Amino acid sequence: AQSVTQLDSHVSVSEGTPVLLRCNYSSSYSPSLFWYVQHPNKGLQLLLKYTSAATLVKGINGFEAEFKKSETSFHLTKPSAHMSDAAEYFCVVSDPGTNAGKSTFGDGTTLTVKP
Amino acid sequence: DGGITQSPKYLFRKEGQNVTLSCEQNLNHDAMYWYRQDPGQGLRLIYYSQIVNDFQKGDIAEGYSVSREKKESFPLTVTSAQKNPTAFYLCASTLPGAVDEQFFGPGTRLTVL
Repeated sequence: AQSVTQLDSHVSVSEGTPVLLRCNYSSSYSPSLFWYVQHPNKGLQLLLKYTSAATLVKGINGFEAEFKKSETSFHLTKPSAHMSDAAEYFCVVSDPGTNAGKSTFGDGTTLTVKP
Repeated sequence: DGGITQSPKYLFRKEGQNVTLSCEQNLNHDAMYWYRQDPGQGLRLIYYSQIVNDFQKGDIAEGYSVSREKKESFPLTVTSAQKNPTAFYLCASTLPGAVDEQFFGPGTRLTVL
């Protein structure tokens, strides 16, 4: 069975300061992990993905995430927040050991960026 | 441009009526998915299809039905048996396998009055 926990439902930062969105996962196999971003009333857009290659993954818009197997974590970071980063962020795990293609989504973290 | 389209963007229905949400993709993806999103919650899988003429129930299939007669299309019907149909519905597609990203449509917001 697979699961994902986003540790913060809301994160608020000031523009220009670092962003940290935390995600822990549980998986029976070597999982694929994703971060998606969703702006209000829109679909989800992929930020980055981990698929058993490099543990530090770089994504779009300056985001990156580090896969830490010992901590079962996949936290999302960005050195300097921009106003346009304000959105909902979802951590997603896909376990190749389950029915192929089924993903489990975290409950989301709402990022607020203050001017 | 390749992508996924969902229509309509907003949909209002009276309680007890069936309603069908459209999802079309021109990405040549084999697998397609329907998710439901409620405020403060992540996405929950309703149905998914990995090939034409085949689909499987997700975690919350009760009160919903789907068809997959064409590779490009995966319509979702919300039936009167769905107790709380008001939600944001998202369609997605991907190449086969769990390692690939899912491409999402813009969503349909269904409100049942």
